[in-house]
Amino acid sequence: GESVGLHLPTLSVQEGDNSIINCAYSNSASDYFIWYKQESGKGPQFIIDIRSNMDKRQGQRVTVLLNKTVKHLSLQIAATQPGDSAVYFCAERVTGRRALTFGSGTRLQVQP
Amino acid sequence: EAQVTQNPRYLITVTGKKLTVTCSQNMNHEYMSWYRQDPGLGLRQIYYSMNVEVTDKGDVPEGYKVSRKEKRNFPLILESPSPNQTSLYFCASSLGGLGEKLFFGSGTQLSVL
Repeated sequence: GESVGLHLPTLSVQEGDNSIINCAYSNSASDYFIWYKQESGKGPQFIIDIRSNMDKRQGQRVTVLLNKTVKHLSLQIAATQPGDSAVYFCAERVTGRRALTFGSGTRLQVQP
Repeated sequence: EAQVTQNPRYLITVTGKKLTVTCSQNMNHEYMSWYRQDPGLGLRQIYYSMNVEVTDKGDVPEGYKVSRKEKRNFPLILESPSPNQTSLYFCASSLGGLGEKLFFGSGTQLSVL
C-alpha cells in the first residue's frame, strides 16, 4: 500500500545549526502535505503545510521543500534551538481521501 | 484559548471493562477524528465525524465506537477493551476537513491489562 516514510529515525544537531528532516512519499496522487512537531507528553502541533502546486513555503525559522519529481519532502529549521527538540513527522493527503496519512517520525535532538 | 481537550490523560483498566475517553473542542469545527499512535506505526485514524450525527470508520475501527451528538464533543468508546488496544490516543478537529490542518488534543495514554 501507499506509505509515508522518513529517512532517519534520529537526528542530532548542535544548537545554532540548521536542521533538515526528510520525508519520502510514494503516492503521486498526494496533493497536500503537513509537518507536525510532537514534544514529549504532548499532542502533535502544526508547523507548516504545503500544497502540491508549490515547491517551497517558508514560515518562521522553518521552510518546507517539496520535490514532486522524486516524491520527497523536507523540513528545514534554521538556527535550531533546544526547544526544537521533539519528534517531527510529515503527513500527506491523497487527492479525494478524507484523511491524512502520517509517517512514523524523526526524533530531533539539539545538543547545547 | 482554542483547544481540543481530552480526558483522562492516563487510564489503566482491565480487559473487558467498558470505558469512554472524552474529547471536546471549542473552535466550532465540524470535523473531528480519533487516532491511535503506536511505536513505529505513526498515527492511524480510528473513526471520524464530518458533522453532528455523521460518523464513519477510519483505518483501524475494530473494537471502538464513537458518537457525535453535539458539535463540540466526540467521545471514543471501548465496549470491551483488550490488551492490543493499549496505545496513545489522540482526538483531533479541523475546520476545513479531515485532510486539512488538524488540531490535536494532548493525548490519552491507555493501558489495558
